[in-house]
Amino acid sequence: QQQVKQSPQSLIVQKGGISIINCAYENTAFDYFPWYQQFPGKGPALLIAIRPDVSEKKEGRFTISFNKSAKQFSLHIMDSQPGDSATYFCAASGAGNKLTFGGGTRVLVKP
Amino acid sequence: DVKVTQSSRYLVKRTGEKVFLECVQDMDHENMFWYRQDPGLGLRLIYFSYDVKMKEKGDIPEGYSVSREKKERFSLILESASTNQTSMYLCASSSGGGAVETQYFGPGTRLLVL
Repeated sequence: QQQVKQSPQSLIVQKGGISIINCAYENTAFDYFPWYQQFPGKGPALLIAIRPDVSEKKEGRFTISFNKSAKQFSLHIMDSQPGDSATYFCAASGAGNKLTFGGGTRVLVKP
Repeated sequence: DVKVTQSSRYLVKRTGEKVFLECVQDMDHENMFWYRQDPGLGLRLIYFSYDVKMKEKGDIPEGYSVSREKKERFSLILESASTNQTSMYLCASSSGGGAVETQYFGPGTRLLVL
């Protein structure tokens, strides 16, 4: 079973809208939560990451919200653009350098 | 810029064949990883390595082995390919700073086993 559950599997949003992707984890030892972005034909690349000592982190149009008590975190893409169309993966890590990935969300931003 | 290269973008193999997937990174990273990517399942860790000649099993090591003879090179081996190993294979590397270090991915090898 997946230790990190991601939803939705796919998402269609109009240009300028907000894309929201949610992840839930089970392992309370996880203490690092990155999001990776993958364009077709490319490998994933780090987009933004958060540690559980903060509840929110913002980088440009991308924001991670983190709820430690609920063991949930989410990615918000504000003012979504066609160039944001990609697959997004949440991940989590505890001790060591192993990442556990969610199932991925394919985001399509319509012009 | 970190560069992770994979030897092939596409491979077609027959059931029972031995398959080698090669990965090379040019940033002197200590850690290297092999994942497979399947729709709806995300990325699942097959094997990883923290140092030369060192390897550790990931979450789905069955049917795979790895080799790391040089720091920059990490090979994934399918001893006897099966149809359920048809997938996208991704290699990644990171420096040795622990969990918060960014993993840098190659472009992937799409393997079809007939």
